Amino acid sequence: AQSVAQPEDQVNVAEGNPLTVKCTYSVSGNPYLFWYVQYPNRGLQFLLKYITGDNLVKGSYGFEAEFNKSQTSFHLKKPSALVSDSALYFCAVRDQAGTALIFGKGTTLSVSS
Amino acid sequence: EPEVTQTPSHQVTQMGQEVILRCVPISNHLYFYWYRQILGQKVEFLVSFYNNEISEKSEIFDDQFSVERPDGSNFTLKIRSTKLEDSAMYFCASRRDSLYEQYFGPGTRLTVT
Repeated sequence: AQSVAQPEDQVNVAEGNPLTVKCTYSVSGNPYLFWYVQYPNRGLQFLLKYITGDNLVKGSYGFEAEFNKSQTSFHLKKPSALVSDSALYFCAVRDQAGTALIFGKGTTLSVSS
Repeated sequence: EPEVTQTPSHQVTQMGQEVILRCVPISNHLYFYWYRQILGQKVEFLVSFYNNEISEKSEIFDDQFSVERPDGSNFTLKIRSTKLEDSAMYFCASRRDSLYEQYFGPGTRLTVT
């Protein structure tokens, strides 16, 4: 069965420092991978996706993610964190049998000034 | 930028009552979804809908649940007889035919007392 793991409940980083939010996946076949962000009292906002092609994917708000097939990882990164990046981040994989998204449990990113 | 909208933002109901959650997907999208997020837990897939019929559903989506697209714009989730464990945030999402990412609404918080 497909699954997504986000090993960290919370990531703390100082403003201006690089950030990484980790995600590993387990699928059979080629994965379709996504990152979403959720701000308080808001829905999930799409950040970026990996379907095929370049392993480094660029997305919204300066975020990028690196697909690593050998490590089955899809970590979210940003070179310089902003306080406004503080939110809940979800990694997701598309179900191989259909189009539903399977989400990780989420990682809370806290950026301090 | 077009958005998925959901009403109401918060619904309180008594156990055993029927509730209908409403969504207006992005207008040129063809695939529609419902997910739920119980407080402190993962976002879970409930059902997907395409071409006026259910295309996928999870084991959560039992006979108490139904979905409908009553007109060209609305997409509804009905829970026939609510249980305490139905208390959750319910998210609607939609997807265009040729793209893979789903766009989520802000959610409806359902509280069953």
